[in-house]
Amino acid sequence: AQRVTQPEKLLSVFKGAPVELKCNYSYSGSPELFWYVQYSRQRLQLLLRHISRESIKGFTADLNKGETSFHLKKPFAQEEDSAMYYCALSGLETSGSRLTFGEGTQLTVNP
Amino acid sequence: GAGVSQSPRYKVTKRGQDVALRCDPISGHVSLYWYRQALGQGPEFLTYFNYEAQQDKSGLPNDRFSAERPEGSISTLTIQRTEQRDSAMYRCASSPTGSGNTIYFGEGSWLTVV
Repeated sequence: AQRVTQPEKLLSVFKGAPVELKCNYSYSGSPELFWYVQYSRQRLQLLLRHISRESIKGFTADLNKGETSFHLKKPFAQEEDSAMYYCALSGLETSGSRLTFGEGTQLTVNP
Repeated sequence: GAGVSQSPRYKVTKRGQDVALRCDPISGHVSLYWYRQALGQGPEFLTYFNYEAQQDKSGLPNDRFSAERPEGSISTLTIQRTEQRDSAMYRCASSPTGSGNTIYFGEGSWLTVV
């Protein structure tokens, strides 16, 4: 079975502060990990995926297989980063790009 | 089109009624997915199509739920004899092919069963 855990439902930081959204997963094979984001009144969209090793909007995430984690980090949070963030996983045992999502973390960046 | 389109955006129905939710994927996208998201939860997989073939329906919670994509484009998710516990957002997504591609979500259909 596969599972994604986001331990924080709510996270509040001040503008300019570092932010880390935690994600842990359980999966027996080689997973592919993603972060999806939903800004207010917008649709759910891909932020980044671990295989791309990109930095998107200043966010990075490193897959740590030893700790089974894929935490999302940004050194200096901006007010426009306020949104709902979902960590998701897909694996070889699941069909196509079927995703297993965590419960999400609501990030609020205060001025 | 501009993206994945879902209708209706909001639906209120009485318990016991049937509802049909429609999804129009991005043109040319082979794969289409349905997810359900209850309040305070993450999206949960329901079913998935490649073209018109339903590849995986393991996430459908019971036999009141069904989905079809008869011509490999628009899909309909049908819930028969709705119950209050069916109240949720139903999200459709599409991708160019099955594996390894980004999936693109629609705006979702909010269903409330009263």
